[in-house]
Amino acid sequence: DGGITQSPKYLFRKEGQNVTLSCEQNLNHDAMYWYRQDPGQGLRLIYYSQIVNDFQKGDIAEGYSVSREKKESFPLTVTSAQKNPTAFYLCASGRLGQGRGNEQFFGPGTRLTVL
Amino acid sequence: DQQVKQNSPSLSVQEGRISILNCDYTNSMFDYFLWYKKYPAEGPTFLISISSIKDKNEDGRFTVFLNKSAKHLSLHIVPSQPGDSAVYFCAASVGGGADGLTFGKGTHLIIQP
Repeated sequence: DGGITQSPKYLFRKEGQNVTLSCEQNLNHDAMYWYRQDPGQGLRLIYYSQIVNDFQKGDIAEGYSVSREKKESFPLTVTSAQKNPTAFYLCASGRLGQGRGNEQFFGPGTRLTVL
Repeated sequence: DQQVKQNSPSLSVQEGRISILNCDYTNSMFDYFLWYKKYPAEGPTFLISISSIKDKNEDGRFTVFLNKSAKHLSLHIVPSQPGDSAVYFCAASVGGGADGLTFGKGTHLIIQP
């Protein structure tokens, strides 16, 4: 069954600690993305990757880091430098290709709460 | 500066009637537009999209209209059903979206029985 998985569903972290959110896809998509959603807000792009071993900053990359060692995996680390880390984090993937739009498909999300 | 705007935070529609959700954008470089549906604590689900070379795209009960001169798009749902109650996000991209999507803040659609 193809799809995107994120784990864990809920995550609690003490202030000052780094935490890594997992994202795996078996859709054979080239591109993967991390977004953040805050209450009453739309989704904002944190990082994205179009190919293995390469990634780019999105609109709100400060305090976050990513890696893309495998096509299927795109983990996101929320570092202690992120000032307001409590949010709902969403991972997405999409195909790339000339002349096609990018319908991104989303995972179920991880709710991170900093205590 | 918000490039994609959904000015109605919520919309209430009677079951069986038409739901019309609106979206405005400011970036003339956007060439692909998408609508997503989202339930609380879940990831968004892709609904329908439209390229800037078209002015209408239809898929079952869902139709998206694009007015490029007004930088406006709308999603029509006919007829509205109880399961349509959710938050709807408008999103836009440049060059097909490989560099990510820009989202509006969403409209909470409530279908009244």
